[in-house]
Amino acid sequence: RKEVEQDPGPFNVPEGATVAFNCTYSNSASQSFFWYRQDCRKEPKLLMSVYSSGNEDGRFTAQLNRASQYISLLIRDSKLSDSATYLCVVKNYGQNFVFGPGTRLSVLP
Amino acid sequence: SAVISQKPSRDICQRGTSLTIQCQVDSQVTMMFWYRQQPGQSLTLIATANQGSEATYESGFVIDKFPISRPNLTFSTLTVSNMSPEDSSIYLCSVDSGNDHSYNEQFFGPGTRLTVL
Repeated sequence: RKEVEQDPGPFNVPEGATVAFNCTYSNSASQSFFWYRQDCRKEPKLLMSVYSSGNEDGRFTAQLNRASQYISLLIRDSKLSDSATYLCVVKNYGQNFVFGPGTRLSVLP
Repeated sequence: SAVISQKPSRDICQRGTSLTIQCQVDSQVTMMFWYRQQPGQSLTLIATANQGSEATYESGFVIDKFPISRPNLTFSTLTVSNMSPEDSSIYLCSVDSGNDHSYNEQFFGPGTRLTVL
């Protein structure tokens, strides 16, 4: 089993739709959680960190459920510019980042 | 934030040759990371490079195949040796934000796109 797993995708949604991405991780000792965004032929960039209490940044909401070892990302009112691959990333303190396989999103006009 | 540059941005190489990729950071960092991203795949960590010590390689990666140099706190190189078509990939250099807490952000270079014929 991979350490970080994500919805296989791709997700094709119309502009304005709400879309949710799911991620699970296998290491119960994982401490830090992130969503990164990777545009086509570009490097990954941090979208948002995911905190235990959940956090929101504009149209983006991230949730963490440590008991279920589950992370989610919700995008509301999706824009064409949201089209990208979304990478779930997990880190154990003092150790390296582990990247999920990514879920590709295409927002259609 | 950190600004990272990589050279070359892309290359096409013949089987059996070697390529050295350079990574330059605009600030001093303790650890630098080298990742590989194969077509349609996510990122896989190759090794962590600390200045003044041997790089630490992840399972499945060995120094003979991917020698790394880290001569100072702003620069590193990764060599892909004796290349085969299976080495065709994007190679990414990365650093973290350097704060000693668990929510460090990782910054990535633009990547080097390697094609081996």
